Amino acid sequence: GAGVSQSPSNKVTEKGKDVELRCDPISGHTALYWYRQSLGQGLEFLIYFQGNSAPDKSGLPSDRFSAERTGGSVSTLTIQRTQQEDSAVYLCASSLTVQVSETQYFGPGTRLLVL
Amino acid sequence: DQQVKQNSPSLSVQEGRISILNCDYTNSMFDYFLWYKKYPAEGPTFLISISSIKDKNEDGRFTVFLNKSAKHLSLHIVPSQPGDSAVYFCAARRLSGGTSYGKLTFGQGTILTVHP
Repeated sequence: GAGVSQSPSNKVTEKGKDVELRCDPISGHTALYWYRQSLGQGLEFLIYFQGNSAPDKSGLPSDRFSAERTGGSVSTLTIQRTQQEDSAVYLCASSLTVQVSETQYFGPGTRLLVL
Repeated sequence: DQQVKQNSPSLSVQEGRISILNCDYTNSMFDYFLWYKKYPAEGPTFLISISSIKDKNEDGRFTVFLNKSAKHLSLHIVPSQPGDSAVYFCAARRLSGGTSYGKLTFGQGTILTVHP
């Protein structure tokens, strides 16, 4: 079956612009996660959604970052007024549920470069 | 603060030999640990996991060892193959409790190169 897909695969933007990154999770997966990987760093948790519960936003680095998940499926991560330190690979993952035994499957990521 | 640490940025191994990748953690609330493998331009893929009630889990050529008292885990790959060359990430999570238990906390990764 289809895996997690993300778009765009690459995004170059100017400092101060807003960007939207999209994630299509595996069909039927109720949990969806966003992580980012800055150069030379590990993956950093940003936010996760589980069904209709309130999302866990504890990893969002500033109020310029927001995410939503419409209809329990597709998710959009929005970064407003981008800064150069936002440059990173943004990875989306999904799992059947948020239970620990459920593997998180990752998409290929969106490479964001802020000039 | 880095709660999960992989202190070796890279490891080079000869084909057929054992690869040992190490990971340390500081948060005693972690009780489930995972290893992910990542190829360039791809997302990480799950490799193997271990619960804190165990000290060893094996899956084919891959074995993960957990030493809870030392807050240390390691991934052994035997025998190593050139196709194993990738970045390996250690990750940890909580089994229950709190609002953030769904998230994975990752180490910085170790680049493994297996030479033919």
